[in-house]
Amino acid sequence: NAGVTQTPKFRILKIGQSMTLQCTQDMNHNYMYWYRQDPGMGLKLIYYSVGAGITDKGEVPNGYNVSRSTTEDFPLRLELAAPSQTSVYFCASSYYPGNTEAFFGQGTRLTVV
Amino acid sequence: AQTVTQSQPEMSVQEAETVTLSCTYDTSESDYYLFWYKQPPSRQMILVIRQEAYKQQNATENRFSVNFQKAAKSFSLKISDSQLGDAAMYFCAYRSGPIYNFNKFYFGSGTKLNVKP
Repeated sequence: NAGVTQTPKFRILKIGQSMTLQCTQDMNHNYMYWYRQDPGMGLKLIYYSVGAGITDKGEVPNGYNVSRSTTEDFPLRLELAAPSQTSVYFCASSYYPGNTEAFFGQGTRLTVV
Repeated sequence: AQTVTQSQPEMSVQEAETVTLSCTYDTSESDYYLFWYKQPPSRQMILVIRQEAYKQQNATENRFSVNFQKAAKSFSLKISDSQLGDAAMYFCAYRSGPIYNFNKFYFGSGTKLNVKP
């Protein structure tokens, strides 16, 4: 079982560049999430989606965009990268309703220089 | 929004001993779920244990158990017979129950657990 797959695992960006973090899940989960993890700060929600075609902002959406054209895929777009976006990014999915946990990808370590 | 607080940034335990990690949360909801996740150096987030708020019985999973105090809004994780492989970051997480139609997960800031041989 693949679960949640994120690519790439590591990336270095120059200030002002753009990139897309890819996320796909094969569990037919309706909810998908993007989190960022900064040292000592836990996980902060960037964007989430309740199903194909529906997305909404989380706690820290500025500088990011998302789309959800299929149930499986939920890419995160960084426009005009800034040093403040240096972080570890996690994609996750869950099924709702239900008592299931969130399933996570392996994370992307992004450095903006 | 709900908040989750882990007041212990780092803890250490001797191998084979028992350690308890603390977590408190703030909510006005009556129906919710609580989770403990483990994050080893590989970065992979691994579910350790889950507790439904409507259940009075504390959840257990092998060497892992929780002390769920609903009135106090406390959800601590006890690790018995600690092993070197338990060394990791541990995150407490909160999710609203289905009656609220709100499926976001809120995470604490984490506790780094060191296990000494």
